[in-house]
Amino acid sequence: GIQVEQSPPDLILQEGANSTLRCNFSDSVNNLQWFHQNPWGQLINLFYIPSGTKQNGRLSATTVATERYSLLYISSSQTTDSGVYFCAVEPFGAGANNLFFGTGTRLTVIP
Amino acid sequence: GAVVSQHPSRVICKSGTSVKIECRSLDFQATTMFWYRQFPKQSLMLMATSNEGSKATYEQGVEKDKFLINHASLTLSTLTVTSAHPEDSSFYICSAREGETEAFFGQGTRLTVV
Repeated sequence: GIQVEQSPPDLILQEGANSTLRCNFSDSVNNLQWFHQNPWGQLINLFYIPSGTKQNGRLSATTVATERYSLLYISSSQTTDSGVYFCAVEPFGAGANNLFFGTGTRLTVIP
Repeated sequence: GAVVSQHPSRVICKSGTSVKIECRSLDFQATTMFWYRQFPKQSLMLMATSNEGSKATYEQGVEKDKFLINHASLTLSTLTVTSAHPEDSSFYICSAREGETEAFFGQGTRLTVV
């Protein structure tokens, strides 16, 4: 099956710093989403981005499908950005619209 | 964004009993629903996918007789953990999509089997 690797696995930032999270996937994909999992386990949708670049406030994402990677940028980080960030991909030709999750990046923003 | 409601958020049950978890799409028609399992500090593992009115498709290694999935309508899917044992304790999360659009997730259910 498709492999989805995220890096770095852990990241500690000072409040106000910027960061880039990476998601690599092993096969072609139809779709890609980024999520933030808060401390209570809720998955918050950040981006639905099978290709191209999108921005939403301090967050932006870029997916280069031909090179099989996606990047999530967090600027001017805040303590509320802490949590785990996941990318999830739908393999091309999966048929059932399955979303497979990456390994995750655990972000801690300290004041 | 669309809303997916999952209940209960937390449940404790005795070993050998069954537990049912509900997942509802509140403002869209969920043609496909997914069930995931997450162990502490790990990623989400896809258990099964269900389309409304059809039998669920289970991922390799997931026991379909233990994890019964029903997707009876375009807004409701249920996961029943049958004859639960302590090793079934985990965080279960549902997801729903309308067609090939963005997937949205429920709040999750923390199951503890004692």
